[in-house]
Amino acid sequence: DSGVTQTPKHLITATGQRVTLRCSPRSGDLSVYWYQQSLDQGLQFLIQYYNGEERAKGNILERFSAQQFPDLHSELNLSSLELGDSALYFCASSGGTGLKSGYTFGSGTRLTVV
Amino acid sequence: GQNIDQPTEMTATEGAIVQINCTYQTSGFNGLFWYQQHAGEAPTFLSYNVLDGLEEKGRFSSFLSRSKGYSYLLLKELQMKDSASYLCAVGGRGGADGLTFGKGTHLIIQP
Repeated sequence: DSGVTQTPKHLITATGQRVTLRCSPRSGDLSVYWYQQSLDQGLQFLIQYYNGEERAKGNILERFSAQQFPDLHSELNLSSLELGDSALYFCASSGGTGLKSGYTFGSGTRLTVV
Repeated sequence: GQNIDQPTEMTATEGAIVQINCTYQTSGFNGLFWYQQHAGEAPTFLSYNVLDGLEEKGRFSSFLSRSKGYSYLLLKELQMKDSASYLCAVGGRGGADGLTFGKGTHLIIQP
């Protein structure tokens, strides 16, 4: 157990639907990062939050949004889902910049869009 | 932007040594990371280099040359459980941009 908790582990939904993925960071970590991993693209950085505020954006689609709550848990909202959104979605956390000790990843949510 | 290249797949023999190379071109650099990922599981942190040279940690070592935009991960005394993907990643400015990952090297260990 890495200390980063992601729910649900698996999610199957239809095209056009909306889903919410949840992440609880490791105790004491202020930063949360969201990544998408598909077979052909590898791990892609989506967005970072630090202590409740958005800090950096990567390759996140406009149909996707995220937030970090006062208790530091984070949610990634995916809407108007397409078949190509099927992927593993990972959350990672770090105490600050994540250097030296790296980022700690959760076990991921496998999203299947049918 | 960031561009990270590493071989797609490598094969090695149990008990041997393997070196996985990574080259990168980045607009910002704040360290190079190596992660191990078994299929369908979370990546786990292996090493971090920010200065040139070799960092050793048990059976794993990682090397960095910033002037050449080059790193390698060296795995010694290979075990069957080392069969996994190895991801090279570059940190952005102060970590604020998240990590940019290469597509990973799938390492197959044969008996």
